[in-house]
Amino acid sequence: NAGVTQTPKFQVLKTGQSMTLQCAQDMNHNSMYWYRQDPGMGLRLIYYSASEGTTDKGEVPNGYNVSRLNKREFSLRLESAAPSQTSVYFCASSEAPQQGETQYFGPGTRLLVL
Amino acid sequence: DAKTTQPNSMESNEEEPVHLPCNHSTISGTDYIHWYRQLPSQGPEYVIHGLTSNVNNRMASLAIAEDRKSSTLILHRATLRDAAVYYCILRYNHNFNKFYFGSGTKLNVKP
Repeated sequence: NAGVTQTPKFQVLKTGQSMTLQCAQDMNHNSMYWYRQDPGMGLRLIYYSASEGTTDKGEVPNGYNVSRLNKREFSLRLESAAPSQTSVYFCASSEAPQQGETQYFGPGTRLLVL
Repeated sequence: DAKTTQPNSMESNEEEPVHLPCNHSTISGTDYIHWYRQLPSQGPEYVIHGLTSNVNNRMASLAIAEDRKSSTLILHRATLRDAAVYYCILRYNHNFNKFYFGSGTKLNVKP
């Protein structure tokens, strides 16, 4: 049981380049989330998918798009990367969007935009 | 939206209890209180959560004030592996898809 996996682990981009961060979970969870964490700060929600086929904006969605490819996979795309998007990106999943449920996090993707 | 306030950092000695405080004075009646921790260079991991009553699990205890305006995460015997950033999070009743992490408390554990 791998839990939540993310690829790549580390990426360097030039301003204006695009890339897709991949996330997969093997826990049969319904909900998936993308967060970013800037140095010395807590996580901020970018987008989430409450269930397969649905996506919705979080706190900081500008500059990102997402795709819930199937129940297992949830990708985050940067169409035109900017230095302000330098951050660590975490994917998470949970059984369903309930108040008491637990989110399980991946190991993160470190992104540097030059 | 209700926010949480935590000290930036705390220090503890190994094998001693640690009490990590969190203030959430604007919490609403049905918001859950969650605690997560983040070890260095890792994603956050769940610690404990509660609504009104105190809660215990194998990792920690959660003490919730009677008025619910504050809570305390208790690690009964800190180990070096407990050195992490601890986040107190409110899970809002009106939109519980959104988890607001805040900046957390960095716990240092001294041998």
